Amino acid sequence: DTGVSQNPRHKITKRGQNVTFRCDPISEHNRLYWYRQTLGQGPEFLTYFQNEAQLEKSRLLSDRFSAERPKGSFSTLEIQRTEQGDSAMYLCASSSSDWYGYTFGSGTRLTVV
Amino acid sequence: GQQVMQIPQYQHVQEGEDFTTYCNSSTTLSNIQWYKQRPGGHPVFLIQLVKSGEVKKQKRLTFQFGEAKKNSSLHITATQTTDVGTYFCAGLRASNYQLIWGAGTKLIIKP
Repeated sequence: DTGVSQNPRHKITKRGQNVTFRCDPISEHNRLYWYRQTLGQGPEFLTYFQNEAQLEKSRLLSDRFSAERPKGSFSTLEIQRTEQGDSAMYLCASSSSDWYGYTFGSGTRLTVV
Repeated sequence: GQQVMQIPQYQHVQEGEDFTTYCNSSTTLSNIQWYKQRPGGHPVFLIQLVKSGEVKKQKRLTFQFGEAKKNSSLHITATQTTDVGTYFCAGLRASNYQLIWGAGTKLIIKP
């Protein structure tokens, strides 16, 4: 297991289209997080899973965003009807019950044109 | 709500000079973590501090956690070009195991 994997690395989409990103966490990690980061800013929390349960979702997240983690393994983040303001790096991270440090994936850079 | 303030936003240093970034929390933290993000990269975990007054070193990096577990600092001695990046502190919220992130301090080496 080489870490947290995110696909795709880059996504360019037209405004109004739907996009889906995938995250494969470290297999022993039961916690999974999605963050968004724009240039020069820190990571902004989007949502959090413990196993397959989505335990928290940011109030900043509109109804256009949805995330799933079926069977507590990989996770997907979908953005419907994308807007230019959705352009950002979307980061996935995982952690375990006995070690709280986060391991981040390399991210998916979304550009909405 | 709970916040972690980090200063300065940027620090320009000559190679070989020291660098320090500070974090302050509005409430007591369970632990504090430090991450480094290289330009174009993703945050990478550096260290976790748990105990009041804890000091940990990693080569030229020294991390401190305050006695009240509300503040922390990262000090880099004799910076090198490989130190360039943004350093984030993040406090762990015990209620839901989520990190509360500081805004980051960008270390810039002057040419």
